[in-house]
Amino acid sequence: QVQLVESGGGVVQPGRSLRLSCAASGFTFSSYAMHWVRQAPGKGLEWVAVMSYDGKKQYYADSVKGRFSISRDNSKNTLSLQMNSLRADDTAVYYCAKGREWERGGWFDSWGQGTLVTVSS
Amino acid sequence: DIQMTQSPSSVSASVGDRVTITCRASQGISRWLAWYQQKPGKAPKLLIYAASSLQSGVPSRFSGSGSGTDFTLTISSLQPEDFATYYCQQANSYPLTFGGGTKVEIK
Repeated sequence: QVQLVESGGGVVQPGRSLRLSCAASGFTFSSYAMHWVRQAPGKGLEWVAVMSYDGKKQYYADSVKGRFSISRDNSKNTLSLQMNSLRADDTAVYYCAKGREWERGGWFDSWGQGTLVTVSS
Repeated sequence: DIQMTQSPSSVSASVGDRVTITCRASQGISRWLAWYQQKPGKAPKLLIYAASSLQSGVPSRFSGSGSGTDFTLTISSLQPEDFATYYCQQANSYPLTFGGGTKVEIK
């Protein structure tokens, strides 16, 4: 079965950087686009970024564009999110999610358990 | 960006009730809409995609309908395990956006 396991969350000061990882198993990772979606404490869901199955295309939410960078290593079945210049409003649980119909946008048919990022001095 | 508006924001219902949640898109999205269920402390779970297609393993009491700008998620007979928050998501174009959520609570 599909398994997505995020790691790398923690407490970080404003302006600093953090790198999240997502280890995938149970499906052909290199065939699917992968997304990051976040959820601030007590709030709704916010899409963050997507990377195409082959790593050639990526899209970002305006709120993170220029600060966050999504990448993937298909040889290691791993998705990453490099987060720079972190702000307090980046505080959230970050989920990696497997995408379907990604070229138009699409939906998320499997999710990890999430990793909490807290940006605080 | 496409804005997604869900209503109601919360609903109180009893086991066995029929529950309907609506979602409106700020512009037409054809049938590019998904619905998710989220329980406290857990990741969201895909219920419905392409407006009305039931994700594998999801009980048939869940159904979706609509196209264009107006969509509906219906739970035909609410079960104890259905008390959760439900989100719609437009899948038509980037940036992908979600509705604000509907919390289904026990009456």
